[in-house]
Amino acid sequence: EAGVVQSPRYKIIEKKQPVAFWCNPISGHNTLYWYRQNLGQGPELLIRYENEEAVDDSQLPKDRFSAERLKGVDSTLKIQPAELGDSAVYLCASSLRGTGTGVYEQFFGPGTRLTVL
Amino acid sequence: DAKTTQPPSMDCAEGRAANLPCNHSTISGNEYVYWYRQIHSQGPQYIIHGLKNNETNEMASLIITEDRKSSTLILPHATLRDTAVYYCIVKSGTYKYIFGTGTRLKVLA
Repeated sequence: EAGVVQSPRYKIIEKKQPVAFWCNPISGHNTLYWYRQNLGQGPELLIRYENEEAVDDSQLPKDRFSAERLKGVDSTLKIQPAELGDSAVYLCASSLRGTGTGVYEQFFGPGTRLTVL
Repeated sequence: DAKTTQPPSMDCAEGRAANLPCNHSTISGNEYVYWYRQIHSQGPQYIIHGLKNNETNEMASLIITEDRKSSTLILPHATLRDTAVYYCIVKSGTYKYIFGTGTRLKVLA
């Protein structure tokens, strides 16, 4: 079974430039998550999708960040314009479901390491 | 969701058991204990979870104290490939994981 696929793995840009990250979740997983992980810290949730609907984007800096999940499968996270403080690893994860009484582990991709110069 | 406390780092000799502690003194009755690990340059990987009883799978064992205020993840025979950051997370049935800074385990040859 293929895991969560992310691209690119690494990206170096200058500040004020736009950047986009792509994620392909595990087939059949309805729930998709984007996390940001700063150096030496654990991942922090940015946004969660249930199918194509963003059901929790409370931690997404909406002035410069945007995300979409067309057709409820692949997802793209965009930053425009990027700032120095956006340097981090951006992780995508998926699970069968996001809520409910069951226990649904999240499967993470390898992440995209963004460096803003 | 309850906050967890883990030691920042630990060393373990290869082939020995690695015992990683986690304190979660404010855990409530419906909250599970999860463990994930993150190997360098990879995303976090699920290891195991439990509610009250001790749990074991092919990767590890989870021991939860009777009062549920702390737990220990046990890797029975640590290998060099187990070198990683281990995260203890406590949460209810909702989706939201709150990762702390974890324990950096180094397995020594």
